[in-house]
Amino acid sequence: KAGVTQTPRYLIKTRGQQVTLSCSPISGHRSVSWYQQTPGQGLQFLFEYFSETQRNKGNFPGRFSGRQFSNSRSEMNVSTLELGDSALYLCASQQGADTQYFGPGTRLTVL
Amino acid sequence: GENVEQHPSTLSVQEGDSAVIKCTYSDSASNYFPWYKQELGKRPQLIIDIRSNVGEKKDQRIAVTLNKTAKHFSLHITETQPEDSAVYFCAASPFSSGSARQLTFGSGTQLTVLP
Repeated sequence: KAGVTQTPRYLIKTRGQQVTLSCSPISGHRSVSWYQQTPGQGLQFLFEYFSETQRNKGNFPGRFSGRQFSNSRSEMNVSTLELGDSALYLCASQQGADTQYFGPGTRLTVL
Repeated sequence: GENVEQHPSTLSVQEGDSAVIKCTYSDSASNYFPWYKQELGKRPQLIIDIRSNVGEKKDQRIAVTLNKTAKHFSLHITETQPEDSAVYFCAASPFSSGSARQLTFGSGTQLTVLP
C-alpha cells in the first residue's frame, strides 16, 4: 500500500495570510490525526478526524481548523498566520486500534 | 491531560554499546506506548510499541519495558550502529473503543552513535 502523503511539502507565507494543507491517508485508513512539530514545543497534537467528524482536539487556538472528506482525505487550515505558526505539520493515519503512520510533513514558513 | 517526560535529551554512545532512553507519563488511563525514530528531514517512523497488558517487548536489537505502577517505560537499543543515530520520541495514549489514539509525545532524545 502507498504510505501517507501530504501536499504541499514546503510552503512560504506571510503573516496574516491563511494556508491549507492536505493529507491523504493510507488506503483503508479512516482516521487522520494532525500534529505540529517545532524545535521548542516538540510534537503537539492538533486534532483527529474519523468518518468526516472531528473526535479529538488539542490545545490550539481556533485559527487552526480541519476537515475530512468522504474518501478520508483531510485538510487543515490555519488562518491569520503568525510567525509562531512556522513548523512542520505532520498528519498520521490509523486503522482501528493499530499504529499511527506519519506522512512526510509540510514545512510551513511564515515570514 | 497526559504529560510525558523523556530523558536524556541527548545521548552519545560508542558503536556496539547499548543505549537506554526513559520516559514517564502521568495519566494512568494511558495504555499504549509507541516509540518513533525520526531521522533528519524525515517523517517519524514507528520502531516498536507496547500495550499495557505486557511488561516487555523485543524486536531484534530493540526492546521496550513498561512499569505501569511507576508509570514509566524505556527503550533499549543493543549493539548500536551509526545508522541508529536519530531523534527518538516516546509517546503515550489512552485508548477506548470507538476513538482513535491521541498521542502525547516526549520531548525527544538525540542519539548519536560514534564510530
